[in-house]
Amino acid sequence: QVQLVQSGAEVKKPGASVKVSCKASGYIFTNSGISWLRQAPGQGLEWMGWISSYNGNTDYEHKFQGRVTMTTDTSTSTAYMELRSLRSDDTAVYYCTRLNHYYDSSGYHEYFQQWGQGTLVTVSS
Amino acid sequence: DIQMTQSPSSLSASVGDRVTITCRASQGIGNSLAWFQQKPGKAPKSLIYATSNLQSGVPSKFSGSGSGTDFILTIRSLQPEDFATYYCQQYDSYPITFGQGTRLEIK
Repeated sequence: QVQLVQSGAEVKKPGASVKVSCKASGYIFTNSGISWLRQAPGQGLEWMGWISSYNGNTDYEHKFQGRVTMTTDTSTSTAYMELRSLRSDDTAVYYCTRLNHYYDSSGYHEYFQQWGQGTLVTVSS
Repeated sequence: DIQMTQSPSSLSASVGDRVTITCRASQGIGNSLAWFQQKPGKAPKSLIYATSNLQSGVPSKFSGSGSGTDFILTIRSLQPEDFATYYCQQYDSYPITFGQGTRLEIK
């Protein structure tokens, strides 16, 4: 079955960087995109961006542009999300999701299917 | 950005009840609407995509409807495992956005 296994919890100081991994199995990695999201303590879900596992194209949420980089390694079926210049309000659980797709009368759509277990990133001095 | 507004923010119900959660988009999103369930300390679980299509393994007690700007999640015959927080999400255009969540509590 499809599994997304994320790397373990991280504690970082303000100004540092963090790189979270998401190892996929159970499907052909290059057939599905990956989205990254985060959830601050007690808060809702916030989309950070998307990467095509096929060609590496990305689309980042405006507020993260310049601080985030999403990449994939097709040889290991792993996606990565690096966030730089960390601040205390970046403290959150970070999730990767596998996207599936369909076509309808309005075109091509990608939707979230499976989720990783989450990675807690704590930013504290 | 498309704003997603869920109502109610919280809801108390009893085992066996039927409940509905509504989600309104600030502009038309066709049927590009998904629903997720999240339990405390756990990753969200995908329930529904394209407004009304159940994800694999999701029981038919969950159903979705709507189109354009107004959408509904219905859960019938509530069981203890259904008490959780539910989120709607639009994926019609980037940035993908979520409702603020509806916390379903046991009465």
